[in-house]
Amino acid sequence: EAQVTQNPRYLITVTGKKLTVTCSQNMNHEYMSWYRQDPGLGLRQIYYSMNVEVTDKGDVPEGYKVSRKEKRNFPLILESPSPNQTSLYFCASRPFNDGELFFGEGSRLTVL
Amino acid sequence: QQQVKQSPQSLIVQKGGISIINCAYENTAFDYFPWYQQFPGKGPALLIAIRPDVSEKKEGRFTISFNKSAKQFSLHIMDSQPGDSATYFCAASRGGGYQKVTFGIGTKLQVIP
Repeated sequence: EAQVTQNPRYLITVTGKKLTVTCSQNMNHEYMSWYRQDPGLGLRQIYYSMNVEVTDKGDVPEGYKVSRKEKRNFPLILESPSPNQTSLYFCASRPFNDGELFFGEGSRLTVL
Repeated sequence: QQQVKQSPQSLIVQKGGISIINCAYENTAFDYFPWYQQFPGKGPALLIAIRPDVSEKKEGRFTISFNKSAKQFSLHIMDSQPGDSATYFCAASRGGGYQKVTFGIGTKLQVIP
């Protein structure tokens, strides 16, 4: 089954404790991206990757890091989480030459 | 800077009625306009999309109307059903490949029996 898998789905952590949200896709997509969803703000792009070892900032990259060492994986790293990073996070992927984004089921993060 | 403005933020429609969600964009280079549907606890999924070479696209009960000169596009859900209750996001992007997708803020639709 074609899918984008995120882990963990739910996480409660404390300020400053580094965490990683993993994202993996099995569709051989070149493009992968992270979004955060907040009430009244919609989906905002954090980072995206055009292919292995190629990443770029989205609209709200502050406080986040990413890496793309393998085509299928695109982890999101919060090195020192803060309460304003409490949000619902989505990973998405798409082929290079197609517009449709395929989303994961989301990771709800709470930073205390 | 919100490049895609979506309204309304919430919408309540009677079963069988027409749901209409509107979006406006600023960047004339945008050439791909999708609508995503999101159910609670799930990720968004593509519902329908349009490119600016056509003014309307219909798939079942869902229709996108596109007005290039006004830089506006809208989603119409005919014969709305309770199962259509979800959050709808419009989006826009330009070019193919690696261009980023900009989303509207979303519309929470509730269809009441």
